[in-house]
Amino acid sequence: QQQVKQSPQSLIVQKGGISIINCAYENTAFDYFPWYQQFPGKGPALLIAIRPDVSEKKEGRFTISFNKSAKQFSLHIMDSQPGDSATYFCAARVGFGNEKLTFGTGTRLTIIP
Amino acid sequence: EPEVTQTPSHQVTQMGQEVILRCVPISNHLYFYWYRQILGQKVEFLVSFYNNEISEKSEIFDDQFSVERPDGSNFTLKIRSTKLEDSAMYFCASNRKDRANYGYTFGSGTRLTVV
Repeated sequence: QQQVKQSPQSLIVQKGGISIINCAYENTAFDYFPWYQQFPGKGPALLIAIRPDVSEKKEGRFTISFNKSAKQFSLHIMDSQPGDSATYFCAARVGFGNEKLTFGTGTRLTIIP
Repeated sequence: EPEVTQTPSHQVTQMGQEVILRCVPISNHLYFYWYRQILGQKVEFLVSFYNNEISEKSEIFDDQFSVERPDGSNFTLKIRSTKLEDSAMYFCASNRKDRANYGYTFGSGTRLTVV
C-alpha cells in the first residue's frame, strides 16, 4: 500500500532526446509527488514536484505528468544533456501530519553524446 | 543557497561500537529527518523530529537508534551497537515551517561502514 514503483531501473538516452521515467502508487492518500535528482556522493536534491489537483507541471526542460485515475506519474526530461546523467527518484507523501517521503527504487539515467 | 551540513562524510566503525552522525539543518527549518540508503537501493525513511520529539519512526528505527537535538543547531543520530547491516549512506534532511508546499533539503550524507 505504501510502495511507489519506479521504472525503468536504468535508462540510456542520446543527447537531445527525451528521457521518460515512470512511477505508480497505490495509496490514494498520497497528495504530494516530488522528483529528486541524485549525483554520486551527494544527497537527493528536489527537482520538481506536483500535487494531484493538476495533470502537468513544467519547469524548464523538466515536466511531470500526473494521471490521478491511473495512479501514475512520470518525469519527462526534454533535450536531455550529459549533465542530466544522475539517479532519479520519484517519491510520494501524505499531507500534513505525515511527513515521511516514500521513495521509488530509482532510475539511473545516462545521457550519451 | 542554504545547505544541510553532515559530518563526518565517511565513518568506519567496528561492529558493536556506538556511532553518532551529526547534522546541522538549515537555520530557519523546524522539521528534521533521517533517511538511509543502502548501496544501490532506494532511500528509506528512518525518523522525523519536530518540537524536540519524534513525530514518526519506521520499523527500521528500533531501540538501537536514537535522535537528539542537543542545542539550537545540531541534530544527531546515534546507533548504540552497530551491526554489519547498518552499513549505508545516512542522510539528514530538514524542512520549513510551511512544509506542505516544500520539499526537503537533504544533506550530502554520511557513509557508514561497519566492519
